[in-house]
Amino acid sequence: DAGVIQSPRHEVTEMGQEVTLRCKPISGHNSLFWYRQTMMRGLELLIYFNNNVPIDDSGMPEDRFSAKMPNASFSTLKIQPSEPRDSAVYFCASSPEGGWEKLFFGSGTQLSVL
Amino acid sequence: AQKVTQAQTEISVVEKEDVTLDCVYETRDTTYYLFWYKQPPSGELVFLIRRNSFDEQNEISGRYSWNFQKSTSSFNFTITASQVVDSAVYFCALSENNAGNMLTFGGGTRLMVKP
Repeated sequence: DAGVIQSPRHEVTEMGQEVTLRCKPISGHNSLFWYRQTMMRGLELLIYFNNNVPIDDSGMPEDRFSAKMPNASFSTLKIQPSEPRDSAVYFCASSPEGGWEKLFFGSGTQLSVL
Repeated sequence: AQKVTQAQTEISVVEKEDVTLDCVYETRDTTYYLFWYKQPPSGELVFLIRRNSFDEQNEISGRYSWNFQKSTSSFNFTITASQVVDSAVYFCALSENNAGNMLTFGGGTRLMVKP
């Protein structure tokens, strides 16, 4: 299996622009997670999907962030408009079922908002 | 309150030394899972181990060992005879049954193993 695939690996954008991060989970996995990693706040869970349905989005910072999972093989995390404080590494992870299972992480997207 | 605390933000050892990374967790759940993940300089997070709350047996895997003690709410990780390739950030994490089984990470411990 190819593992969890994230794109792009790096994204540099200007403040105010829309940013879309993409994730393809491992085939057959029912749960998908978006995490953000910064030096100040460490690894934060943004949102968790189970069977394509958002289960908990309490970690989403504000209305500028939105996430979708239109089908079992694709998810997006969108930031509109982006701000410099959104600069971070964004990880997508999937698991067969829930957070009690081993999570398989993608390589992450390094986002820089200038 | 932070649910997973890794008090050591950074540890530096010389190769072949043993090193223990501490993890203290907080939960009111009786059913939960504890994890350790490794993040090498390449950036990807790699699963190391999972324990459930009903299994307090310590585990050894090669140079790695884990000590789970419910009485002190700790799940410590020891690397024996450390090697330069062990240099990474190590995260302890908790998944609680009553929190939707979402995985919450500690702040991580950066381990530097010098030759």
